Amino acid sequence: SYELTQPLSVSVALGQTARITCGGNNIRSKNVHWYQQKPGQAPVLVIYRDNNRPSGIPERISGFNSGITATLTISRAQAGDEADYYCQVWDSSTWVFGGGTKVTVL
Amino acid sequence: QVQLQESGPGLVKPSETLSLTCTVSGGSVSSGSYYCNWIRQPPGKGLEWIGSIYYSGSTSYNPSLKSRVSISVDMSKNQFSLKLSSVTAADTAIYYCARGRIQGYFLDYWGQGTLVTVSS
Repeated sequence: SYELTQPLSVSVALGQTARITCGGNNIRSKNVHWYQQKPGQAPVLVIYRDNNRPSGIPERISGFNSGITATLTISRAQAGDEADYYCQVWDSSTWVFGGGTKVTVL
Repeated sequence: QVQLQESGPGLVKPSETLSLTCTVSGGSVSSGSYYCNWIRQPPGKGLEWIGSIYYSGSTSYNPSLKSRVSISVDMSKNQFSLKLSSVTAADTAIYYCARGRIQGYFLDYWGQGTLVTVSS
């Protein structure tokens, strides 16, 4: 079965840039999606199909899929960006999630 | 505005069957543009996809749960349901229903989640 690998945690200073990676076999061939989950809340889609933002998601949040890894970038990090972030792909008729990355804003 | 709402018992005894229903409003489970999905999250852990159903009745399940899972859809009530049999404490989790877009296979709307505890 397909596996996605994410770092357990990422720390970023307030106002700086955080990058969260998501690795998987030949990930460039897949559409990668990203979800933000704040404590006690359901996940929210923040990036779909590698680099598209749903309505209401700020431009500070962006995605890129280079082929080796997919990356979610949070620019000008704010306290409200503290959350768990999950990448997700579709493979062999199954929805696959990465293990999640906890982002801490210092 | 699409909304999904999970409902069902919050406490299930070991070896019994967990049953949950997701009611969809503002959208239709009979739309050919979406899959209906169940995802769970054990306390303090990550997301685990359980399975999905298309309006045609076609299902797909997580291989690790396949032998115990059944998902069905009731178009007359605009609902879809999850049954997980022979539960153990390891099945204690927040259970989410979510709508999956066929074009791209991402989950654009989620329910708020419901905690199900497996305990005697």
